Amino acid sequence: NSKVIQTPRYLVKGQGQKAKMRCIPEKGHPVVFWYQQNKNNEFKFLINFQNQEVLQQIDMTEKRFSAECPSNSPCSLEIQSSEAGDSALYLCASSRRDGNTLYFGEGSRLIVV
Amino acid sequence: GDSVTQTEGPVTVSESESLIINCTYSATSIAYPNLFWYVRYPGEGLQLLLKVITAGQKGSSRGFEATYNKETTSFHLQKASVQESDSAVYYCALGDLASSFSKLVFGQGTSLSVVP
Repeated sequence: NSKVIQTPRYLVKGQGQKAKMRCIPEKGHPVVFWYQQNKNNEFKFLINFQNQEVLQQIDMTEKRFSAECPSNSPCSLEIQSSEAGDSALYLCASSRRDGNTLYFGEGSRLIVV
Repeated sequence: GDSVTQTEGPVTVSESESLIINCTYSATSIAYPNLFWYVRYPGEGLQLLLKVITAGQKGSSRGFEATYNKETTSFHLQKASVQESDSAVYYCALGDLASSFSKLVFGQGTSLSVVP
């Protein structure tokens, strides 16, 4: 069973609406990743954090996508204006500071209608 | 770029038969690749099945094995005798041992169905 907790499991949004997903990493894991998995099962890395600091992110996330990992609050990924192509499974993963093994949550499935 | 290619599914195998899911990788920007197999069982999240960080070494878990072969850039997943409970989607992934915060590069996944 996943120790990385993602909410909500499903969300349905209209085009142009905001979509927000949350993630609580496994206890003791300071590094958090967000991936998008599309209908073809392809994974796309979006962004990762160490504690509250962004480590890496792709260009896409600098525009409509925003993410944060505030201290003492869940991490979040928000799409400011959803598009049909954003429909996907959004996966959050966490890892220890000294390791590169990722532990995944069950994901938040976004459907944009 | 870095990439992972695995057996295209779906794959159907009879219970107690042997299984091999092929995985090959290309690590053009990664100096020290390490390799993973993740699995997603029906209705569950993605979970780590096994990993190997050193070329030439073998990882094993739940009866599955995979050997990191640097010469052939492969990390094939094998099991001698599958069970119905092994039905799942299997993902091969490539990481960078030199980076503690390395993002993984995933293959496209192989859906396995084990039938009685």
